[in-house]
Amino acid sequence: SQTIHQWPATLVQPVGSPLSLECTVEGTSNPNLYWYRQAAGRGLQLLFYSVGIGQISSEVPQNLSASRPQDRQFILSSKKLLLSDSGFYLCAWSGDRGEQYFGPGTRLTVT
Amino acid sequence: QKEVEQNSGPLSVPEGAIASLNCTYSDRGSQSFFWYRQYSGKSPELIMFIYSNGDKEDGRFTAQLNKASQYVSLLIRDSQPSDSATYLCAAFQGAQKLVFGQGTRLTINP
Repeated sequence: SQTIHQWPATLVQPVGSPLSLECTVEGTSNPNLYWYRQAAGRGLQLLFYSVGIGQISSEVPQNLSASRPQDRQFILSSKKLLLSDSGFYLCAWSGDRGEQYFGPGTRLTVT
Repeated sequence: QKEVEQNSGPLSVPEGAIASLNCTYSDRGSQSFFWYRQYSGKSPELIMFIYSNGDKEDGRFTAQLNKASQYVSLLIRDSQPSDSATYLCAAFQGAQKLVFGQGTRLTINP
């Protein structure tokens, strides 16, 4: 069966520091992968998605970037964090019918 | 912009009653619809999907789709306190993306 991992689970970072969040998927090959952010009490905001290695689509212009160095690995990065980057970051992969399955998430607090 | 709209709630339902969650979508070309449950502090969990007009039942959950009215609903029968969560409706937009509603917060009162 498919499993999706995210780490770290929680992170507290100062403003201006770099960020790297990692997501890996097991049990499936060539999945579509997604990064979402959910601010406190808000809905899901799609940040990036990828349909294959090295293929990244950006949904929202911001100081974040994404990379997909391997088939089942998706990385979210920032060179300099802003206070507004705080939130719950979710990685997801999509099944055959368009449904998406989410990882456990990373809760990021920028101080 | 293609949107999915949900009443943010909170929706309060007594234990044992039927909870009814509603969702409308603007893209008439959407073909697939999904309901997610999200407990506080946790990630969303897929609980139902529906593609065809009509009802689809899974245990205590029933999803309803009316494409003519661009309306999707989720009914939860015999509501339990453990059903208290935020429920997200999503439409498959094509281009490999889902469009999510803002979610409805449901509280089941013992």
